[in-house]
Amino acid sequence: QSVLTQPPSASGTPGQRVTISCSGSNSNIGSNIVNWYQQLPGTAPKLLIYSNNQRPSRVPDRFSGSRSGTSASLAISGLQSEDEADYYCAAWDDSLNGYVFGTGTKVTV
Amino acid sequence: EVQLVESGGGLIQPGGSLRLSCAVSGFTVTNNYMNWVRQAPGKGLEWVSLIYSGGSTDYANSVKGRFTISRDNSRNTLYLQMNSLRAEDTAVYYCVRDFCSGGACAFDYWGQGTLVSVAS
Repeated sequence: QSVLTQPPSASGTPGQRVTISCSGSNSNIGSNIVNWYQQLPGTAPKLLIYSNNQRPSRVPDRFSGSRSGTSASLAISGLQSEDEADYYCAAWDDSLNGYVFGTGTKVTV
Repeated sequence: EVQLVESGGGLIQPGGSLRLSCAVSGFTVTNNYMNWVRQAPGKGLEWVSLIYSGGSTDYANSVKGRFTISRDNSRNTLYLQMNSLRAEDTAVYYCVRDFCSGGACAFDYWGQGTLVSVAS
């Protein structure tokens, strides 16, 4: 059972900007950093954003993250066809004493 | 080059047991936090278990008391012993490194996954 809530889908045309929300609570997003993962069709997830808004060096700067209160968001600007994937937010939950993932958002270009 | 290679998945009857392995190269398992994350067919990601570098462990409520995470220092391998398996445990199981720096952690390396199917 996912504790973090994301919209099931998002879409845009090439070049557009898409934003994905991730809603949690005080015990997870409100207290801990948020990471985002990208899962391309048929592959294992990959780290996309860590510590709320940091990008691994291999991730293009079209991807950005933010956190405010008990919510976080992922923005993809200059949308490209290769961005079609499932996106998941994740955070540590102090009440559950474990990690929780978002419900996942499928991005269609 | 970092590699995480899971094995041990397969078809198992409800109530049965299975042990998953994750052979790691490129870093030392005992120096890192290591996790198992699963994904049921067509569903989202679910965290299963974590073993800290010091050896303590955490489990999701859904598997607590049935699954045991462990590691073998000499083989640089992570394990997940799964007992009393249920249909709802059917999923691809990923071995994942939890890289921590400055108090912040993230899953930076993932294996390719191994499929566990629980059915009669």
